[in-house]
Amino acid sequence: QLQLQESGPGLVKPSETLSLTCTVSGGSISSSTYYWGWIRQPPGTGLEWIGSMYYSGSTFYNPSLKSRVTISVDTSKNQFSLKLSSVTAADTAVYYCAGDTSGTWYYDYWGQGTLVTVSS
Amino acid sequence: IQLTQSPSFLSASVGDRVTITCRASQGISSYLAWYQQKPGKAPKVLIYAASILQSGVPSRFSGSGSGTEFTLTISSLQPEDFASYFCQQLSSSPLTFGGGTKVEIK
Repeated sequence: QLQLQESGPGLVKPSETLSLTCTVSGGSISSSTYYWGWIRQPPGTGLEWIGSMYYSGSTFYNPSLKSRVTISVDTSKNQFSLKLSSVTAADTAVYYCAGDTSGTWYYDYWGQGTLVTVSS
Repeated sequence: IQLTQSPSFLSASVGDRVTITCRASQGISSYLAWYQQKPGKAPKVLIYAASILQSGVPSRFSGSGSGTEFTLTISSLQPEDFASYFCQQLSSSPLTFGGGTKVEIK
């Protein structure tokens, strides 16, 4: 049973870079059929897909965020990470990491989510 | 691809049959998933490939549709089903979600 856990600062200043890490347990991040993703949810609103990656390093980003997003993997630590640069108040949201174990682009495992507030 | 859910809010009683609709702005074959989200919790997948029930999900949940119109049906609403529901298209990048349907107790 996969378990995912987000970690990182809960408060980020405007114009700075948001950095979050997702630690995967109960399975290998290098599994050949797994994709790993980040999704966010601004308070009281819907879900927005940020991007996904394969353990080999292939990445897929939402074009609306692509210029500011980097998703990377550290297979030695069974972790993957999100960096979002030049943040504004509009980036305030609960950020979820998630796993797609079927390779068909729906997420069957989710972290609990972490609220990141952008404020000075 | 834009996904439009309706209704955005639904008030129902325990035992009611509930149907939620998700319409895609272009055809996505059967590449659609449904999620349930309770307050303060992460979404949980209920259905994928439009109609396949995720392991462990009660059989009162069902999905149907293909192309541009999809439905999620709860055959007999239970107290634990009061939550928000989202559809997600799996057809092409960027992955997108519907705006959500909040199911509340009547």
